[in-house]
Amino acid sequence: LAKTTQPISMDSYEGQEVNITCSHNNIATNDYITWYQQFPSQGPRFIIQGYKTKVTNEVASLFIPADRKSSTLSLPRVSLSDTAVYYCLVAPASGGSYIPTFGRGTSLIVHP
Amino acid sequence: GAVVSQHPSWVICKSGTSVKIECRSLDFQATTMFWYRQFPKQSLMLMATSNEGSKATYEQGVEKDKFLINHASLTLSTLTVTSAHPEDSSFYICSAKAGDTQYFGPGTRLTVL
Repeated sequence: LAKTTQPISMDSYEGQEVNITCSHNNIATNDYITWYQQFPSQGPRFIIQGYKTKVTNEVASLFIPADRKSSTLSLPRVSLSDTAVYYCLVAPASGGSYIPTFGRGTSLIVHP
Repeated sequence: GAVVSQHPSWVICKSGTSVKIECRSLDFQATTMFWYRQFPKQSLMLMATSNEGSKATYEQGVEKDKFLINHASLTLSTLTVTSAHPEDSSFYICSAKAGDTQYFGPGTRLTVL
């Protein structure tokens, strides 16, 4: 199982770009990387998923280097409503032993 | 994205009673669903993997006789907390895989008095 490590907390200001990095040194060949956002008393919300290089959607970008031992979630121009806990999940997309275990997550606080 | 619902969103019960939580995949079929528990200020802890038509797989330290899981159809899994005690009070979250991605329900807040 790929263990993930993220910074416990980060602070930013409205309008800034925020980059949150997740380390997953023992990622397996068939593992995908998925990022989630969680607000208090809510279930995690899917943000973005990728396997390698760069993925972009309407809310975020995901950068994955060639060795795939880390990944960086990039949130452009954050607002106060982006204050939440962000989790990266590393798990196989299909087949194998799928045990989706979460790390501690990163608590992002966006200041006015 | 795929939608997962949970019912109820919150429940308060007396110690010693049993509580059932439902998890439904609304717009897709899920052969596998997952149940998590989350305490305040902590990460999600995987309790068990629910497999349609077969027995659930429980993580180490999770009592299978206390947390009964039934996955009777491709869109419904239930978690029953039997003989609940105050220490079972927590936020319970289910999820289901749609293709390569895991989607989560909104969670159920259980308070045992």
